[in-house]
Amino acid sequence: DARVTQTPRDKVTEMGQEVTMRCQPILGHNTVFWYRQTMMQGLELLAYFRNRAPLDDSGMPKDRFSAEMPDATLATLKIQPSEPRDSAVYFCASGLEGASMGYTFGSGTRLTVV
Amino acid sequence: AQSVTQLDSHVSVSEGTPVLLRCNYSSSYSPSLFWYVQHPNKGLQLLLKYTSAATLVKGINGFEAEFKKSETSFHLTKPSAHMSDAAEYFCVVSDASGYSTLTFGKGTMLLVSP
Repeated sequence: DARVTQTPRDKVTEMGQEVTMRCQPILGHNTVFWYRQTMMQGLELLAYFRNRAPLDDSGMPKDRFSAEMPDATLATLKIQPSEPRDSAVYFCASGLEGASMGYTFGSGTRLTVV
Repeated sequence: AQSVTQLDSHVSVSEGTPVLLRCNYSSSYSPSLFWYVQHPNKGLQLLLKYTSAATLVKGINGFEAEFKKSETSFHLTKPSAHMSDAAEYFCVVSDASGYSTLTFGKGTMLLVSP
């Protein structure tokens, strides 16, 4: 089965450090989402790309978060500087425009900022 | 605008008894609706999807859901619970506008006792 690959699986870092999370969407998928999951807030949308162009990043703290798709096979989410409140599981999902087939989620990156 | 309300934060059943997880949605356009399951410390797996075809949708592992437009509901059911069904379940809506993100419910934790 085709899958969305996220790296790293787990990341522990000190407050103030830069963190980069990577996502390889399923080949041929033109839509990519980044979601963050915490106990308190549940699943929150951070960024949304269609054909590599950002369509919605309103859920992302702009001063410290950035999301890019340098090419169709790679999406990145960067936090600089990281803070303890950024500790969460970050999920990437990919799919085709229109959502008719659903979206496939990666296994997530568990980030802990100490 | 779109939103999802999962009516129960926790549902407890005994193994072998029916499962009902309730979901109501709101959408400005014709919605696509999904149920995802998340086992502890795992990613999100698509259980089933509704995308304007048959209103009764069958998914994996014996789950099914019925789209009822008049009630704006998309409840998830299974005739007989198995211990392995214990997990968190998310109802998700995406409208058909072509520029829609996935909006998640808060989740329902399904507990299955022997």
